[in-house]
Amino acid sequence: DIQMTQSPSTLSASVGDRVTITCRASQSISNLLAWYQQKPGKAPKLLIYMASSLQSGVPSYFSGSGSGTKFTLTISSLQPDDFATYYCQQYHGSPFTFGPGTKVDI
Amino acid sequence: EVQLVESGGGLFQPGRSLRLSCTASGFTFGDYTMNWVRQAPGKGLEWVGFIRSKSFGETTEYAASVKGRFAISRDDSRSISYLQMNGLKSEDTAIYYCIKSKGKLSGSLEYWGQGALVTVSS
Repeated sequence: DIQMTQSPSTLSASVGDRVTITCRASQSISNLLAWYQQKPGKAPKLLIYMASSLQSGVPSYFSGSGSGTKFTLTISSLQPDDFATYYCQQYHGSPFTFGPGTKVDI
Repeated sequence: EVQLVESGGGLFQPGRSLRLSCTASGFTFGDYTMNWVRQAPGKGLEWVGFIRSKSFGETTEYAASVKGRFAISRDDSRSISYLQMNGLKSEDTAIYYCIKSKGKLSGSLEYWGQGALVTVSS
């Protein structure tokens, strides 16, 4: 199975900060990676698919990059609504696996 | 507007069975892979499995933790996906989400239901 790791596990930031979250796969997954945002008590929301494609309706200050085994999610200017937990997920091969999550708080 | 509504959750004893339903609307249900993901209280996301569309043989894949106990099916005529859960264990306690894949074969998870809470306890 492909294992996913994320760093950091928790990130303290302020409004307006540039935030970068890293996700690593235990083997190459090409660009078959998605990023999700989850707020407390809510279902996750798709932000990025195919490593760098922005989901419709997602603000353009979110971006994704990477391929192979290393990926990043960047929030170029953190907004109050962005404080949440972020997960990466590989869908290169079954079983699909999620990273453990990165909590972005104030 | 795409909508996914899970139902069938509740409190169940260990060893029992239950079937969750996911009723979909707002898209051509039969064209898409349908997925299930769960989240134990206070924990991260765990992929449970998926069922591909009829065009791709309605094939299924499962996480090792549920393989042989859980089964995903679909009724395209009613736009419903099912998650049959047998031999329940306490570690199956979680919110179960039904999700529509972004593409017809894609593994990225585009639209999520609100989730159904399943609690397994004696």
